[in-house]
Amino acid sequence: ELKVEQNPLFLSMQEGKNYTIYCNYSTTSDRLYWYRQDPGKSLESLFVLLSNGAVKQEGRLMASLDTKARLSTLHITAAVHDLSATYFCAVNNDMRFGAGTRLTVKP
Amino acid sequence: ETGVTQSPTHLIKTRGQQVTLRCSSQSGHNTVSWYQQALGQGPQFIFQYYREEENGRGNFPPRFSGLQFPNYSSELNVNALELDDSALYLCASTRQGYGDEQFFGPGTRLTVL
Repeated sequence: ELKVEQNPLFLSMQEGKNYTIYCNYSTTSDRLYWYRQDPGKSLESLFVLLSNGAVKQEGRLMASLDTKARLSTLHITAAVHDLSATYFCAVNNDMRFGAGTRLTVKP
Repeated sequence: ETGVTQSPTHLIKTRGQQVTLRCSSQSGHNTVSWYQQALGQGPQFIFQYYREEENGRGNFPPRFSGLQFPNYSSELNVNALELDDSALYLCASTRQGYGDEQFFGPGTRLTVL
């Protein structure tokens, strides 16, 4: 059974700091998705990673994919309060989601 | 704004009742997926429809069923509601062959009493 594990599940950061969220998955997949969800809201697509070694960046967020290691990372650079949200990774096939990383950025 | 709409936004039902949730996809998006998201958890895949046919199903019982229509709208039907069906139900539309990026609607929050 496909398993998608994110860590950490909770992350409290200071503004201006860097950190990385990890997403491991248990079986072969050809694409990986990252989403953001604000409290009480729907999911916003951040990145779609389609191949091994793919790296995408948008603002302070950068996502990468290593299909051999079955690992994706979401790196946060110089965090700001507006990045506070829950971040999910999801793997293709039946769109299995991780449990989410609840990020809080403090002044 | 993703261009995906859902109705209703909130709904309260009692155990044993039936419910129909609706989703209107972006024009040209031939694939729609439905998800259930319980409070504090990640979304769980219910099923996907492609060109009006079911194209994959998650671990949900047959009392969860769906339809997709030619006008890019779709329905999720749940029969014999149970308390554990209380959740946020999300639909997402995709234009297959274009990176398969999913665009989520705002969701319907269902409460079963």
